[in-house]
Amino acid sequence: RKEVEQDPGPFNVPEGATVAFNCTYSNSASQSFFWYRQDCRKEPKLLMSVYSSGNEDGRFTAQLNRASQYISLLIRDSMLSDSATYLCVVNPMNFGNEKLTFGTGTRLTIIP
Amino acid sequence: DVKVTQSSRYLVKRTGEKVFLECVQDMDHENMFWYRQDPGLGLRLIYFSYDVKMKEKGDIPEGYSVSREKKERFSLILESASTNQTSMYLCASSPSKGGTGELFFGEGSRLTVL
Repeated sequence: RKEVEQDPGPFNVPEGATVAFNCTYSNSASQSFFWYRQDCRKEPKLLMSVYSSGNEDGRFTAQLNRASQYISLLIRDSMLSDSATYLCVVNPMNFGNEKLTFGTGTRLTIIP
Repeated sequence: DVKVTQSSRYLVKRTGEKVFLECVQDMDHENMFWYRQDPGLGLRLIYFSYDVKMKEKGDIPEGYSVSREKKERFSLILESASTNQTSMYLCASSPSKGGTGELFFGEGSRLTVL
């Protein structure tokens, strides 16, 4: 079983719609969780951290379910600029030891 | 802003050649990493370093070595390049204290081995 699993997509979603991705992880002792965004031919960049209580940043909401070992990302009112690959990332260790494990990514295309 | 700079965006090398990929960061980060990214496989950790002259193997170190003589510079070395090392190579850095867990990536070096 992969350490971090994501549906690769592609997800083709009309502009303005809501889209959600899930990601599962295998190491129950994992400490911290993130969503990164990677545009075509660019480097990954942090989109948001995922906290146990869930967190929201504008149109983006991230949630963590430790019992079921999954992380979710919800994008509301999707915009053309949201088209990218979204990487689920897990850190089995504490901050300061960022030996992160990356999922293979979910590709999202927003259609005008 | 943190800046991680990789020396070459695109390289084409021949099988058996020695290849150096250089990475420099300007934010005094202790941690530095080398990943490779391949379609369907995602980012896989090759080597990482938590301090000068220190290195640890990641998940796929075979065929690679690294050097960290200065805090800001982390080099990836392919002693004898092979075609299965054709890939996108990404360098990253992060602070060991006071960080948020975020990795800061360079723009990547796309290596083709013929």
